[in-house]
Amino acid sequence: DAGITQSPRHKVTETGTPVTLRCHQTENHRYMYWYRQDPGHGLRLIHYSYGVKDTDKGEVSDGYSVSRSKTEDFLLTLESATSSQTSVYFCAIRQVGTDTQYFGPGTRLTVL
Amino acid sequence: DQQVKQNSPSLSVQEGRISILNCDYTNSMFDYFLWYKKYPAEGPTFLISISSIKDKNEDGRFTVFLNKSAKHLSLHIVPSQPGDSAVYFCAASAASNYGGSQGNLIFGKGTKLSVKP
Repeated sequence: DAGITQSPRHKVTETGTPVTLRCHQTENHRYMYWYRQDPGHGLRLIHYSYGVKDTDKGEVSDGYSVSRSKTEDFLLTLESATSSQTSVYFCAIRQVGTDTQYFGPGTRLTVL
Repeated sequence: DQQVKQNSPSLSVQEGRISILNCDYTNSMFDYFLWYKKYPAEGPTFLISISSIKDKNEDGRFTVFLNKSAKHLSLHIVPSQPGDSAVYFCAASAASNYGGSQGNLIFGKGTKLSVKP
């Protein structure tokens, strides 16, 4: 257990509305990640953070933004949700000194 | 183009037998490889990893083999148990400074393992 929580765990929203997902960790990890998982695609990196206010884009960053104003929280925002963003979103942290990542329980987002 | 490939979407094995899950990669810069297990409605769970300086790593019933010349790794589960039924993801990273994304993981699409009693 890497002390990662995600909220909300489930959300249904409508196209065009803004959505923010939260990832919270309790162990002061520097690196945090947001992934989405879709059938036939595995896990794809959206954005990652390597410190407070330090973020960068991943493979599928279009339509998403992130913020990290304190070490323990990493927020993922969909400014205007689309049906193609219906997915399961996972947050992860990276263990110090290795490339091993540990994942949160996920948020299932449905955009109608 | 996929840098990490899991060509078998599914695998069915009898309880007690060996499960072998395969993974191929194309990027010769990858030097750290991991396997994750995922149950429905849960986050992926780290299972086992291997550095490119090794060709084998064991942890209980799980063994990962790495063949660098073939750019291939495999996960062996012996003996397989019904509780091993899950989706298994292979992942790789380039721990050296590679394109500014040092240490980011690239995942395969997963293999669904079913272990039948």
